[in-house]
Amino acid sequence: RKEVEQDPGPFNVPEGATVAFNCTYSNSASQSFFWYRQDCRKEPKLLMSVYSSGNEDGRFTAQLNRASQYISLLIRDSKLSDSATYLCVVSRLSQKVTFGTGTKLQVIP
Amino acid sequence: DTAVSQTPKYLVTQMGNDKSIKCEQNLGHDTMYWYKQDSKKFLKIMFSYNNKELIINETVPNRFSPKSPDKAHLNLHINSLELGDSAVYFCASSQGRQTDYEQYFGPGTRLTVT
Repeated sequence: RKEVEQDPGPFNVPEGATVAFNCTYSNSASQSFFWYRQDCRKEPKLLMSVYSSGNEDGRFTAQLNRASQYISLLIRDSKLSDSATYLCVVSRLSQKVTFGTGTKLQVIP
Repeated sequence: DTAVSQTPKYLVTQMGNDKSIKCEQNLGHDTMYWYKQDSKKFLKIMFSYNNKELIINETVPNRFSPKSPDKAHLNLHINSLELGDSAVYFCASSQGRQTDYEQYFGPGTRLTVT
């Protein structure tokens, strides 16, 4: 089983829609979680950290479920500019970081 | 101001050659990383340095050798290049020693081995 797994998509959604991605991780010792965004042929950039209590930043909400070992990202009111690949990142022991293979989102006019 | 910069942006070379990629960060971060992103877009960590000390060394062929002359620079030297080395190589940096912090990535170096 991969350490971090994501549905590769693509998720094709109309503008204004709400879309959610999940990411599962295999190691229960994982302690830090992030969502990064990567545009085509660009570098990854941090979208948000994921806290145990869940966190929200504008249209984006991230949640952590330690019991089921997954994190989620919810995007409300999708914009064309949200089209990108969303990477789930898990850190363990503060020295082991693993990126998921990403979920591709395409927002359609 | 570019926070994390890499040179060159594109590198095309033949099998068997030796090449280097340079990375510099002006964020004052203590930790720097090298990642490889292959054709399937899988981003995998290769190395991590904290204040010039190697702290992460994943299973990478020993043809790859990182060098950190100071905490603002982390270069990657690749000997005897192979076709499978073709990928995008990203440098990144973060504050502190641990991987629990946000990482800032450079623009990437697209390496093509022919």
